Amino acid sequence: GESVGLHLPTLSVQEGDNSIINCAYSNSASDYFIWYKQESGKGPQFIIDIRSNMDKRQGQRVTVLLNKTVKHLSLQIAATQPGDSAVYFCAEIELYNFNKFYFGSGTKLNVKP
Amino acid sequence: SQTIHQWPATLVQPVGSPLSLECTVEGTSNPNLYWYRQAAGRGLQLLFYSVGIGQISSEVPQNLSASRPQDRQFILSSKKLLLSDSGFYLCAWSYRGREETQYFGPGTRLLVL
Repeated sequence: GESVGLHLPTLSVQEGDNSIINCAYSNSASDYFIWYKQESGKGPQFIIDIRSNMDKRQGQRVTVLLNKTVKHLSLQIAATQPGDSAVYFCAEIELYNFNKFYFGSGTKLNVKP
Repeated sequence: SQTIHQWPATLVQPVGSPLSLECTVEGTSNPNLYWYRQAAGRGLQLLFYSVGIGQISSEVPQNLSASRPQDRQFILSSKKLLLSDSGFYLCAWSYRGREETQYFGPGTRLLVL
C-alpha cells in the first residue's frame, strides 16, 4: 500500500494571535526564497518572497525574515485567522540555476477559533 | 489572467497499469512547465521540467515520463505503475526567465493499489 509519510510539525495558535513558522534551508548558494501556503487537497499558493540581499520583507499581514548566517527563514502571520489554517512550506532557489529549487516538507498551522 | 488546469483530480489505479495525467495552462505563451510529486507529509520533489515543446528534462530516475506535445500542455505518463508512485502530483508553470516563481495547479491525487 501507500508509504507512511512523516508527520508534519504542527503549530496550533488561537485566532487573533500572531503565528511564526520557521524553515531551515540547506544550500548556502540559495539566493531567493518563497513561502507557499497549501490548503488540504489543493496546490501550493505563493504567499511572499525575499531575495538574499534583504533580511525582511512585509506583505499584507505576513512578514518574512531571512537570517543568512544561520540559514534560517521565518514567516510571521499577524492576527491569524481560521482561513490561515494550512500547510506552509518554504522553497529555496539558486537564481539563474533553477535546477537548484528545493522545497521544505512544511509546517501545519492549526488556527483554533 | 493565467490559469492552470490538471485532471483528473483523483485517480485510483492498480499496480502495473498505465498512467496519463494532463496539465494545461491558459493565458500565457511559452511558459516553463513542471511536474512535481508530493508524497504524504513530505515536501515537493521536482520530476520533470520543460522549457519548450518537445523539450523535457528529468530530475530523478523513475518509471515516469513526461511529454509536451503543445506549448501549453504537459503530460505525465507511466507504462506500469508501482505502489511507490502513489502521491499528490502537481503541475506548475513559470514565465520564461522567471523560473524562480512558479504557479501551481490544483493537483492530482494518485493512489496505486
